[in-house]
Amino acid sequence: NAGVTQTPKFRILKIGQSMTLQCTQDMNHNYMYWYRQDPGMGLKLIYYSVGAGITDKGEVPNGYNVSRSTTEDFPLRLELAAPSQTSVYFCASSLLADYQETQYFGPGTRLLVL
Amino acid sequence: QKEVEQNSGPLSVPEGAIASLNCTYSDRGSQSFFWYRQYSGKSPELIMFIYSNGDKEDGRFTAQLNKASQYVSLLIRDSQPSDSATYLCAVNSGSGDMRFGAGTRLTVKP
Repeated sequence: NAGVTQTPKFRILKIGQSMTLQCTQDMNHNYMYWYRQDPGMGLKLIYYSVGAGITDKGEVPNGYNVSRSTTEDFPLRLELAAPSQTSVYFCASSLLADYQETQYFGPGTRLLVL
Repeated sequence: QKEVEQNSGPLSVPEGAIASLNCTYSDRGSQSFFWYRQYSGKSPELIMFIYSNGDKEDGRFTAQLNKASQYVSLLIRDSQPSDSATYLCAVNSGSGDMRFGAGTRLTVKP
């Protein structure tokens, strides 16, 4: 049971390039989330998904896209990378979204846009 | 706007002392409240959650919630150097919308 896995661990992008951050969970969780964490800051919710085929915007969705074709995978797409997207990206999953939900986090992807 | 506020610290306490971490939130519809610990360069890990007014204890950790004051706190008793980390307060308004505070950096000095 690997939990939540993310690839790559680190990536350098040039301004204007695109990339996809991968996230996979093997806990059969319904809910999945993408956060970004800037240095010295808390986590900001980018997008979340309540199940396959359903996604919703979070607090900071601009510049990103997501899809959820399977329960296990929740990739995050960056189009036209900008320096403001330099951050650490965390994927998380949870079984439920009720008031007792516990989110399990992946190890993170560190992205640098130059 | 759903805001979660924490003192950024750093908060420094001697080993064996009680560390007190505070968090306020703006959304009165918030239903559950979480404390995560994050070591430098690592992902957040859940310490505990609380959803009813009052205290909830788990080992050396006690979470306190006051919904009327929109305030949640975390007490760490008998603080250890291994408790040195950033503590993130998170608030769930339901349906997956989780908001995090900026975190409080705690240092426990031997």
